[in-house]
Amino acid sequence: AQSVSQHNHHVILSEAASLELGCNYSYGGTVNLFWYVQYPGQHLQLLLKYFSGDPLVKGIKGFEAEFIKSKFSFNLRKPSVQWSDTAEYFCAVTPTSGTYKYIFGTGTRLKVLA
Amino acid sequence: DTAVSQTPKYLVTQMGNDKSIKCEQNLGHDTMYWYKQDSKKFLKIMFSYNNKELIINETVPNRFSPKSPDKAHLNLHINSLELGDSAVYFCASSSRSAEAFFGQGTRLTVV
Repeated sequence: AQSVSQHNHHVILSEAASLELGCNYSYGGTVNLFWYVQYPGQHLQLLLKYFSGDPLVKGIKGFEAEFIKSKFSFNLRKPSVQWSDTAEYFCAVTPTSGTYKYIFGTGTRLKVLA
Repeated sequence: DTAVSQTPKYLVTQMGNDKSIKCEQNLGHDTMYWYKQDSKKFLKIMFSYNNKELIINETVPNRFSPKSPDKAHLNLHINSLELGDSAVYFCASSSRSAEAFFGQGTRLTVV
């Protein structure tokens, strides 16, 4: 069965600290990978995506993620977080063929202290 | 222009009522989805439609009935609402396996 695991459920950081959120997926075929952010009271917005090519992808607001195929991982990073990064972060995958179905991880709640 | 719009944004209703949530996308996508986000923020897919055809029905109670009059619209009708149906419902659309675009969400509260 397809699944996505996010290991950190709650993360609290001070401003300027570095961030890394883990994401592992389980799927027998090729997938596209995504990180979405949900600010309080808002809808999900795409941070970045990986389809193919360079496994290190850069997204908006200084976020980046690295796809490690051998580890089935797609970890999200940011060198220096800001108070405005306080939000819920979701990792998601969808197969590249067949039935398109975005499977989400359980989310990581990030709180950045000013 | 809002890419994926859903109405209403808030819906408060009594148990046993029937309600509908509407969703429209102007992105030209072939595939639309309904997701349910519970109080713990967990996002679970409910339905997926591709070109008006139901593709995914993830063991959702049959009180929930999606309807897609055309590929730009996917509405969700819920019969006999229960307390446990309280959640935020998100509509989304995508073009094949590219990124999904989400609506603003409908916060449903059943009292």
